[in-house]
Amino acid sequence: TQLLEQSPQFLSIQEGENLTVYCNSSSVFSSLQWYRQEPGEGPVLLVTVVTGGEVKKLKRLTFQFGDARKDSSLHITAAQPGDTGLYLCAVRDSSYKLIFGSGTRLLVRP
Amino acid sequence: DSGVTQTPKHLITATGQRVTLRCSPRSGDLSVYWYQQSLDQGLQFLIQYYNGEERAKGNILERFSAQQFPDLHSELNLSSLELGDSALYFCASSVASQNYDEQFFGPGTRLTVL
Repeated sequence: TQLLEQSPQFLSIQEGENLTVYCNSSSVFSSLQWYRQEPGEGPVLLVTVVTGGEVKKLKRLTFQFGDARKDSSLHITAAQPGDTGLYLCAVRDSSYKLIFGSGTRLLVRP
Repeated sequence: DSGVTQTPKHLITATGQRVTLRCSPRSGDLSVYWYQQSLDQGLQFLIQYYNGEERAKGNILERFSAQQFPDLHSELNLSSLELGDSALYFCASSVASQNYDEQFFGPGTRLTVL
């Protein structure tokens, strides 16, 4: 059983559309991270959220940590082809190792 | 460019063989982490070294081993390779060993076992 469930697994949208991807768990976390991984590269950290209900914005990306710190969402406004990639959420386990979700693979078509 | 380098970029080998993957961390980083990314298991933590010493272990098989050298580069050794070992192997580095240090990932080594 995956500690972090990400949905959807795959998303193909047209340039200019909005989208939201989710990261869910039944566990409570002190913080949660979002990464983007582009083809042929390693994951790159986008944001860390630490407070329940916290909202962070990174240009057209909006990240929210759930009030109960069990889940998170990533919303992209007016998606662009450059947003294409694998979006991963990650948390620290009890021994502080990074645990990743299975990811959402996003394709933004021009 | 994260500043973390990994070689080789691609590796094709046969079952039963042994390979060594190499990682150079960002300048100044003391911690090195190894991850395996496969289609069915996702990105999984294997092992961490800090300043030459093993610091944490994840789902690393006994056939796999790693070390960090005095110049802080690290090697991941994979032996008795099986088809299921085919995956992307990533190295990441961070400044220290603090739990919330940001990890910077290298571009990965794609291993194909035939």
